[in-house]
Amino acid sequence: GESVGLHLPTLSVQEGDNSIINCAYSNSASDYFIWYKQESGKGPQFIIDIRSNMDKRQGQRVTVLLNKTVKHLSLQIAATQPGDSAVYFCAENSGGSNYKLTFGKGTLLTVNP
Amino acid sequence: DVKVTQSSRYLVKRTGEKVFLECVQDMDHENMFWYRQDPGLGLRLIYFSYDVKMKEKGDIPEGYSVSREKKERFSLILESASTNQTSMYLCASSAALLNQPQHFGDGTRLSIL
Repeated sequence: GESVGLHLPTLSVQEGDNSIINCAYSNSASDYFIWYKQESGKGPQFIIDIRSNMDKRQGQRVTVLLNKTVKHLSLQIAATQPGDSAVYFCAENSGGSNYKLTFGKGTLLTVNP
Repeated sequence: DVKVTQSSRYLVKRTGEKVFLECVQDMDHENMFWYRQDPGLGLRLIYFSYDVKMKEKGDIPEGYSVSREKKERFSLILESASTNQTSMYLCASSAALLNQPQHFGDGTRLSIL
């Protein structure tokens, strides 16, 4: 498989459990945040985004929480499935930039059947 | 759904060759981006373009150039390929509106021998 998952923090969960993936962002002026999923051999896939005027946003089986006080972002995946196994990384809009995103290094999620 | 298509999934070239990586998006997005992804380093921005014939350097532009002659197409050029340019190259696009996610292609794994 592709080597994007090397040197990354890892999270291993049982199928059906909930997963929580964390991200510390760097710039207090950033006001837009995105979570991506990257499966082996594929490009990053958009999952969910959140603006800084919100502290929680829900999608299908996923929830993103934003804590601006401590510059922390989390992605919660409910009822994790084997197909959720991938590298997950967060991105911030680099101090409010309309173009540039700064990406985290990612977390490798492994779902055990 | 947004479709970002990169012309090659795998490419092998020799040191000193001029290499072209092509990317096409079908969503009429104004912004297009080229990244490289390396283990332990995450995604690093090489160049981006916010309009036809417009380009801006990203964080690691040295050894690369780009071309955007049409809105849907963004090309990355390695003028004289070197072994340290062996990497996964990812193209992305986004709308010009504020706070829009970038959508990625599936990448080109380039090996320079």
